[in-house]
Amino acid sequence: DTGVSQDPRHKITKRGQNVTFRCDPISEHNRLYWYRQTLGQGPEFLTYFQNEAQLEKSRLLSDRFSAERPKGSFSTLEIQRTEQGDSAMYLCASSFNRDSYEQYFGPGTRLTVT
Amino acid sequence: DQQVKQNSPSLSVQEGRISILNCDYTNSMFDYFLWYKKYPAEGPTFLISISSIKDKNEDGRFTVFLNKSAKHLSLHIVPSQPGDSAVYFCAASALFGNEKLTFGTGTRLTIIP
Repeated sequence: DTGVSQDPRHKITKRGQNVTFRCDPISEHNRLYWYRQTLGQGPEFLTYFQNEAQLEKSRLLSDRFSAERPKGSFSTLEIQRTEQGDSAMYLCASSFNRDSYEQYFGPGTRLTVT
Repeated sequence: DQQVKQNSPSLSVQEGRISILNCDYTNSMFDYFLWYKKYPAEGPTFLISISSIKDKNEDGRFTVFLNKSAKHLSLHIVPSQPGDSAVYFCAASALFGNEKLTFGTGTRLTIIP
């Protein structure tokens, strides 16, 4: 069990550029979540997949954000036309057991928009 | 609207003593509660959880207490060890939802050797 992995760990980009992050969940987990964490705050929910279906998106996820999980395995989160306010830690988590609400987080991708 | 609140941004405890971290919530739909520990530059690590049908759950040095009437939970760590120094997040989830977690703002715990 290799745990949840995220790539890249750090990304510095200029305002207006597009960025894409990848998350590989724990292999048997069918649920995948994206969260965003800014300084001094707890993680905030962005979106959720069950297998390949995106079932919910937060109001935090503007039209510039899109997430996919094409084969129900890894997921990507793309931010178009980045803004300085997008600077944050983007966290991915996965879970499986219906009777358990525990989510297991990856190390995160730290995005800095200059 | 902060549905999960951790009112103490920081806490310092002597090594070997008990650490008590507190969390309050406002949403009555929450029925599952979790504590996560976070080191710098890492993702949150799951510690312990409790369902709303229980009032206590214990795992080694960690115990979580839930008071549903007060909408309050606490995490007890005893004895506290230097490796426990980290930021602790309380999180809550609602039954029959997508199990998304709503987090508090965290408490930075420092264990003094």
